[in-house]
Amino acid sequence: AQSVAQPEDQVNVAEGNPLTVKCTYSVSGNPYLFWYVQYPNRGLQFLLKYITGDNLVKGSYGFEAEFNKSQTSFHLKKPSALVSDSALYFCAVSRGSGNTGKLIFGQGTTLQVKP
Amino acid sequence: GAVVSQHPSWVICKSGTSVKIECRSLDFQATTMFWYRQFPKQSLMLMATSNEGSKATYEQGVEKDKFLINHASLTLSTLTVTSAHPEDSSFYICSARVSWGTEAFFGQGTRLTVV
Repeated sequence: AQSVAQPEDQVNVAEGNPLTVKCTYSVSGNPYLFWYVQYPNRGLQFLLKYITGDNLVKGSYGFEAEFNKSQTSFHLKKPSALVSDSALYFCAVSRGSGNTGKLIFGQGTTLQVKP
Repeated sequence: GAVVSQHPSWVICKSGTSVKIECRSLDFQATTMFWYRQFPKQSLMLMATSNEGSKATYEQGVEKDKFLINHASLTLSTLTVTSAHPEDSSFYICSARVSWGTEAFFGQGTRLTVV
């Protein structure tokens, strides 16, 4: 069965420091991987995706993620965190073969950036 | 990016009444939309796939008679929570996948509170 895991409920970083939000996945075949961010009582905003090609994917707001097939990971990173990055982050994988539009989400990681 | 709009953003209803939530794709046509449910501090769970012009397909464990989905046009899907009970209180989010891309775009969500 396909699944996504985010091992950390919360990540705390100081403003200006690099951040990493971890995600591992379990799928059969080639995964379609996504990162979304959610602010309180809001929907999800798309950050970035990996479909194929370069393992390092760059996305919105300075975020990037690295696809690692051998470790089945897709960690979200940012070189210098901002207080405004504080939010709930979801890793997701497209369910089924290819891009079905249906997403399986990880449990979410709360990012807290302190000034 | 594509814009998906949900209405209302929040609603409070009495137990036993029905509530309709609208999901609109504002600048693109969406033959398929998806409805998710999110409990507090938890991940999103796919409830059903809304197909324009045909019946929705529901995930296992989701009561189709309780959560009525209608996708009558290429830009509008509605979710009606019938005979709502307090346990139906949740955050409901819709999404749509654009035909020209691989990511899904999400509405801002609807906070339903049943009292």
